[in-house]
Amino acid sequence: QSVLTQPPSVSAAPGQKVTISCSGSSSNIGSNYVSWFQQLPGTAPKLLIYDNDKRPSGIPDRFAGSKSGTSATLGITGLQTGDEADYYCGTWDGRWGPWVFGGGTKVSVL
Amino acid sequence: QITLKESGPTLMKPTQTLTLTCSLSGFSVSADGVGVGWIRQPPGKALEWLAIIFWDGDMRYSPSLKNRLTITQDTLKNQVVFTMTNVDPVDTATYYCARGTRRPRCSGGNCYFYDYWGQGTLVTVSS
Repeated sequence: QSVLTQPPSVSAAPGQKVTISCSGSSSNIGSNYVSWFQQLPGTAPKLLIYDNDKRPSGIPDRFAGSKSGTSATLGITGLQTGDEADYYCGTWDGRWGPWVFGGGTKVSVL
Repeated sequence: QITLKESGPTLMKPTQTLTLTCSLSGFSVSADGVGVGWIRQPPGKALEWLAIIFWDGDMRYSPSLKNRLTITQDTLKNQVVFTMTNVDPVDTATYYCARGTRRPRCSGGNCYFYDYWGQGTLVTVSS
């Protein structure tokens, strides 16, 4: 059971938008920055979003992060087949941590 | 170019001690604002954070595993070494090391995010 709660899966057709939620508490998301990681099949996780809404160099603006209270959201617009992957949220946790991850969300492109 | 590479045994027996090395390139383990963490992922399961060592030698461990874990840094070899004692089949997982980068104008362990990851190494624990 992960400290951060994510939906197990989301799906949409190519070109559409998906959103992935990450629900936490005051000890983690509520008081710290959130990161999002993309894990393509058979590969290592890759940083997608840091500090709630910042994209590292090379990450397209189709990926957008936001945070409100004790929840964070990752949005993917213009969905592509290459976006099929597992996505994880993560943050520092002053109570359960130091660092915690969500259970992961599998994105499928229909 | 920043890279991290994990190395160590691929097969372990229960009760043995696992030692993994993370070799760093493109940055120094002792550079101000840098940390190197370890994260694992059992087959088909989610990521689990294990430990981090910061540039100044400070360390943090997962509360549920802290009695079994040790993380150290070798500044001469620019490596981070991770050990886990008394392994069990439930410790079977891919183990990743990742660079932690401190955000500007921030101090403390909660100021880091993981921006580069190694390829991971699969460790299987079986009798």
